[in-house]
Amino acid sequence: QKEVEQNSGPLSVPEGAIASLNCTYSDRGSQSFFWYRQYSGKSPELIMSIYSNGDKEDGRFTAQLNKASQYVSLLIRDSQPSDSATYLCASIRYSGAGSYQLTFGKGTKLSVIP
Amino acid sequence: ETGVTQTPRHLVMGMTNKKSLKCEQHLGHNAMYWYKQSAKKPLELMFVYNFKEQTENNSVPSRFSPECPNSSHLFLHLHTLQPEDSALYLCASSQVGGTRDGYTFGSGTRLTVV
Repeated sequence: QKEVEQNSGPLSVPEGAIASLNCTYSDRGSQSFFWYRQYSGKSPELIMSIYSNGDKEDGRFTAQLNKASQYVSLLIRDSQPSDSATYLCASIRYSGAGSYQLTFGKGTKLSVIP
Repeated sequence: ETGVTQTPRHLVMGMTNKKSLKCEQHLGHNAMYWYKQSAKKPLELMFVYNFKEQTENNSVPSRFSPECPNSSHLFLHLHTLQPEDSALYLCASSQVGGTRDGYTFGSGTRLTVV
C-alpha cells in the first residue's frame, strides 16, 4: 500500500519558535511532494512543493526532501498564532494509463502559543 | 469567479434521497478530482478525470456516481447513501499530472446523511 505517514500531533510551539513537521513515504516512485495547510472547517491550501533532494525556501517556510531516506519535512520559522492549523503532507506518483495520484498523510495539527 | 467553486457548501440528506454536488474550475486546468475527508482519516481520492475522461475509480461504492461533461465542470451524484458517508467532499483541479503545481482545492461540501 502506498502510504504517507505523519505524526498526528498535536505539536505545540511558542510564538517566534521554529516548528518542525515531518513526513515519510513508502513509494519510491513518488515524484513530487507537497505541504498543504488546512484551517479547521476549511479546504487544504498549498504552501510548498518540492521535487529535488535538498532544501527549498519560501519566506518563513523551508521544505526539505531526502529521497534516499524517503523523508520530507517542513520548517516554519518565527511561528505565528495564525500558523495554527493542520499541515498535510502529500506525494504524487504515476498510477498508470496517463493518470497520477496525489496521496495525503493524516496531517499534523500545529498550535502556536502566544 | 476564480479558482475552484463547489456548491452547495452544506447538504443534509436522508438515506433515500438523491442529490448532486457541483464543482467548477476557472483555472484552465484539464484534470479534476473528487476527494472524501472523514474525521481522523487521510484525504481519500475517489475519482480522477483527465480531459473529461475518467481514469481512476478508487473502489468507490456505486451509490456515488461522478459526471464530467467538460474539463471545467465535475459533478458527484449521490443516491441511497449511508450515515457513514457523512464527510467533507472536496473537489480539486490541476494540469494533468499536477507534478509541479499540485492540486487546487475547492471549499468543499459538508455532507450529513441522516
